[in-house]
Amino acid sequence: KNEVEQSPQNLTAQEGEFITINCSYSVGISALHWLQQHPGGGIVSLFMLSSGKKKHGRLIATINIQEKHSSLHITASHPRDSAVYICAVRSRGGADGLTFGKGTHLIIQP
Amino acid sequence: DAGVIQSPRHEVTEMGQEVTLRCKPISGHNSLFWYRQTMMRGLELLIYFNNNVPIDDSGMPEDRFSAKMPNASFSTLKIQPSEPRDSAVYFCASSFKGDGNQPQHFGDGTRLSIL
Repeated sequence: KNEVEQSPQNLTAQEGEFITINCSYSVGISALHWLQQHPGGGIVSLFMLSSGKKKHGRLIATINIQEKHSSLHITASHPRDSAVYICAVRSRGGADGLTFGKGTHLIIQP
Repeated sequence: DAGVIQSPRHEVTEMGQEVTLRCKPISGHNSLFWYRQTMMRGLELLIYFNNNVPIDDSGMPEDRFSAKMPNASFSTLKIQPSEPRDSAVYFCASSFKGDGNQPQHFGDGTRLSIL
């Protein structure tokens, strides 16, 4: 079973700061997802990665398959970025369900 | 486009009662997932279906839990009898299973409280 670890567990930063959230996993994967969950509870898929790097607006996600590690970066952070960010992996071998990290609680203060 | 639709949004009931959670996946999606989220354990996969067929139910906690997908546009997750430890947020997600990886689209969840 894949073990997914995220760090930090909690992060408070000032508006405008550059944010990095890390995710590591134990077993080879076919895809890694970054999800965002707002206080209202809904979950939104931000990125799905199997290699390299993806960018969407102020969000950047990278993955290093050899190191079994991924990072989510937020540039020019804003209070509306405050949410829980969850890393999830789909293990190699055909199983389609996701295994999740515990999430990173991010608070951006104005 | 309509996303994944779950009902009810909230459910409060007494222990021992039967609970039925419902999910309508995005039209055209052929994979459906049921997840549970608790403070202690975070998000966990309960069961998933491909083309209406249950593929992996190893996450279903015990026999009190059952899930069905009678057609491509509807799935239920049933708990009978319910217990206080079943209190959690239950999410349904759907995706299109093709040759490559596809993102999963989540419903808004059902917040279940068992008293």
